[in-house]
Amino acid sequence: QVQLHESGPGLVKPSETLSLTCTVSGGSISGYYWSWIRQPPGKGLEWVGYVYYVGSANYNASLRSRATIAVDMSKNQFSLTLTSVTAADTAVYYCARERSHGSGRIYDYWGQGTLVSVAS
Amino acid sequence: DIQMTQSPSTLSASIGDRVTITCRANQSISTWLAWYQQKPGKAPNLLISKASSLESGVPSRFSGSGSGTDFTLTISSLQPDDVATYYCQQYYIYSWGFGQGTKLEIK
Repeated sequence: QVQLHESGPGLVKPSETLSLTCTVSGGSISGYYWSWIRQPPGKGLEWVGYVYYVGSANYNASLRSRATIAVDMSKNQFSLTLTSVTAADTAVYYCARERSHGSGRIYDYWGQGTLVSVAS
Repeated sequence: DIQMTQSPSTLSASIGDRVTITCRANQSISTWLAWYQQKPGKAPNLLISKASSLESGVPSRFSGSGSGTDFTLTISSLQPDDVATYYCQQYYIYSWGFGQGTKLEIK
């Protein structure tokens, strides 16, 4: 059974950099797309971006200038870096695996989520 | 981008009721639609793909239907464990987008 687990600081100061890591166990990171999805308190789901296991990535247009997602196959991990954070970046951050279905992809495995608060 | 709109935003129903949640796309997505259930404090869980295909382990009281722009998620007999927020997601055209969610409560 594939499991994902997010880790990283729960509190980040405004204007600083948010860094999270997702560790994948029970399966290989190879062959799949891996996403970060966030959820501000009391709100809906917002896709942040994805990385393909070979390292190519794509981002939500609203975050493209600040977000970087990278993969480390040797550790079976992928990561999110978000620079110049503001209070609007406060959210539960989920990592998830994308499963190809037809020409699209759906999210079949999720981490439990980690709350990141941006505050001084 | 394709916009997904769910209705209602909040739904209150009694145990045993038949419950229907609607998801509408602003252009045709064929049947490339998924439904997720998010229980309070938990990560979303994939319920249905390709508009009507139940994922393994999902109770048979859940069903999905629709094609083109209009889709429904139906719970045939509401159970206490079904209290959650439900999201639809299109995966016809990148970028995959979620609806805004429907919060289901017990009356």
